[in-house]
Amino acid sequence: AQSVTQPDIHITVSEGASLELRCNYSYGATPYLFWYVQSPGQGLQLLLKYFSGDTLVQGIKGFEAEFKRSQSSFNLRKPSVHWSDAAEYFCAVGALQAGTALIFGKGTTLSVSS
Amino acid sequence: KAGVTQTPRYLIKTRGQQVTLSCSPISGHRSVSWYQQTPGQGLQFLFEYFSETQRNKGNFPGRFSGRQFSNSRSEMNVSTLELGDSALYLCASSLPDSGANVLTFGAGSRLTVL
Repeated sequence: AQSVTQPDIHITVSEGASLELRCNYSYGATPYLFWYVQSPGQGLQLLLKYFSGDTLVQGIKGFEAEFKRSQSSFNLRKPSVHWSDAAEYFCAVGALQAGTALIFGKGTTLSVSS
Repeated sequence: KAGVTQTPRYLIKTRGQQVTLSCSPISGHRSVSWYQQTPGQGLQFLFEYFSETQRNKGNFPGRFSGRQFSNSRSEMNVSTLELGDSALYLCASSLPDSGANVLTFGAGSRLTVL
């Protein structure tokens, strides 16, 4: 079965501390992986994507993610969290072919404490 | 460049009614996808349209339908509304010819069914 698991429902991080959000996937074909962020009342904004090549990908807002095929993981990291990073984060997997559905994880809510 | 525009942003309906939601994709984007977001089920794929044709459909009952116009604008319709249809409905557009299934999401239409 195709699925995405984000084990952490809610994470609280101090401002300035590092962050790692976990994502594991199960997908029958070559996986194309995404991280999206959603602020309250807003749609989803793409942070980064992995299609092929270097397994460490850089995204917007200082985020990066590492693809580990052997572990079926695509964890999101940020070295120093800012209060504005508080939001809900979604990992997704899909096929490269346009029009195919993305399968999303249930999301991780990030709170940032001062 | 304008983003994906969804209207209305908020609406309240009663059980048994029907609703139509509208989505205007980014200029030049010809693929439009719809997702339903609920607290319980998370983000689920509804359908995808390209060149006025539905190419892919998720696992939703026939009460959920959509269409795409020649200018790539899309509408989705939900008939005989049920309480469980209360959700955030997200539209996303993409450039299918880019070789990458990268979605840009709108802010969503929040439907409340009473």
